[in-house]
Amino acid sequence: NAGVTQTPKFQVLKTGQSMTLQCAQDMNHNSMYWYRQDPGMGLRLIYYSASEGTTDKGEVPNGYNVSRLNKREFSLRLESAAPSQTSVYFCASSEQGGTEAFFGQGTRLTVV
Amino acid sequence: GENVEQHPSTLSVQEGDSAVIKCTYSDSASNYFPWYKQELGKRPQLIIDIRSNVGEKKDQRIAVTLNKTAKHFSLHITETQPEDSAVYFCAARGPSGNTPLVFGKGTRLSVIA
Repeated sequence: NAGVTQTPKFQVLKTGQSMTLQCAQDMNHNSMYWYRQDPGMGLRLIYYSASEGTTDKGEVPNGYNVSRLNKREFSLRLESAAPSQTSVYFCASSEQGGTEAFFGQGTRLTVV
Repeated sequence: GENVEQHPSTLSVQEGDSAVIKCTYSDSASNYFPWYKQELGKRPQLIIDIRSNVGEKKDQRIAVTLNKTAKHFSLHITETQPEDSAVYFCAARGPSGNTPLVFGKGTRLSVIA
């Protein structure tokens, strides 16, 4: 049982380049999330999808777009990467309502 | 939206002592409060959670308490061990199925042998 799988694990981008972070879960969860983690800032929500076909902005959505491709997959796109987007990105999933969120292994992104 | 404050940001304790981490939340409708542990370079993992209809929950050396009136909840780790050293995050979620988990900024716990 793989749980939540993110790709890639590491990425270096040049300022202005674009890329898509992929996330897939095999737990049949309805809700999926993208967080970024910066030192001293905790886990900040970028976007989330409460169910297939819906997406909502979180605390720090600027510079990002998301796609809930189907129930399993939720991708995060950086259209024009900036150094301020250097961070560790975590995808997570959960059943709707008050239940545990399971995290992927993270993507360490560096924008130079 | 929900806002979660967590204190302290760093905590050092001697092995065998207790550690307490405190969080406050802003949305009185929130009803689910998990705690996650993140070891260096790894993903956050759930260690314990509590729902708003319960005041306290224990799991071996770990306990969580919830005060709904004051809108705060705490993590208690007793008989700390070096392997408890990690970053701990509290979180809160509202009752609607559409609300996401909102996290505190984390507490770096160091257990000194």
